[in-house]
Amino acid sequence: GDSVTQMEGPVTLSEEAFLTINCTYTATGYPSLFWYVQYPGEGLQLLLKATKADDKGSNKGFEATYRKETTSFHLEKGSVQVSDSAVYFCALSDQDNNDMRFGAGTRLTVKP
Amino acid sequence: EPEVTQTPSHQVTQMGQEVILRCVPISNHLYFYWYRQILGQKVEFLVSFYNNEISEKSEIFDDQFSVERPDGSNFTLKIRSTKLEDSAMYFCASKRERLQETQYFGPGTRLLVL
Repeated sequence: GDSVTQMEGPVTLSEEAFLTINCTYTATGYPSLFWYVQYPGEGLQLLLKATKADDKGSNKGFEATYRKETTSFHLEKGSVQVSDSAVYFCALSDQDNNDMRFGAGTRLTVKP
Repeated sequence: EPEVTQTPSHQVTQMGQEVILRCVPISNHLYFYWYRQILGQKVEFLVSFYNNEISEKSEIFDDQFSVERPDGSNFTLKIRSTKLEDSAMYFCASKRERLQETQYFGPGTRLLVL
């Protein structure tokens, strides 16, 4: 079945460092891809999404490009802030499953 | 901006007790979901619900679980006889139509079974 594999954490960076969190997927159809963020004590918030190959999702300085050839959707940010400290989940959905499949989550801690 | 709400935010219960977790999806949404996140683990799909019936469920969603839309606004998850391993964060989600890609999540209910 469809699945998402996400970079193991935790990730600790200094403020203004470059962030990459790797995400790859397995799907039989043409899924939509998502990054959700979970700040401490809060629920899941949609960070960005891409619905077809070569689409780039972006929000709050974060970007991810849907790469069908490598089945990847890596999350990047050029300069992280302390407020970006959270758990990041890569996820996919497709019309056949009608549910979302999540990666294991990557905990990011940004230190001043 | 409309959002999914969930109550309570935290619930502590004794093993074997019944719990009902409540969700109010976004008002014009038609597809509803429950997910579970055991502490430190990934978010797992439990069940989807459309047109007053379950459309899909996972292996986790056994006979101890049930869902209901008792009125036009609430969507509930009932666990009949809680077990220690039911301790988790439970998320409700909704979307407007089947072909809409994005599900909108509530803030979650943290359930602790003692």
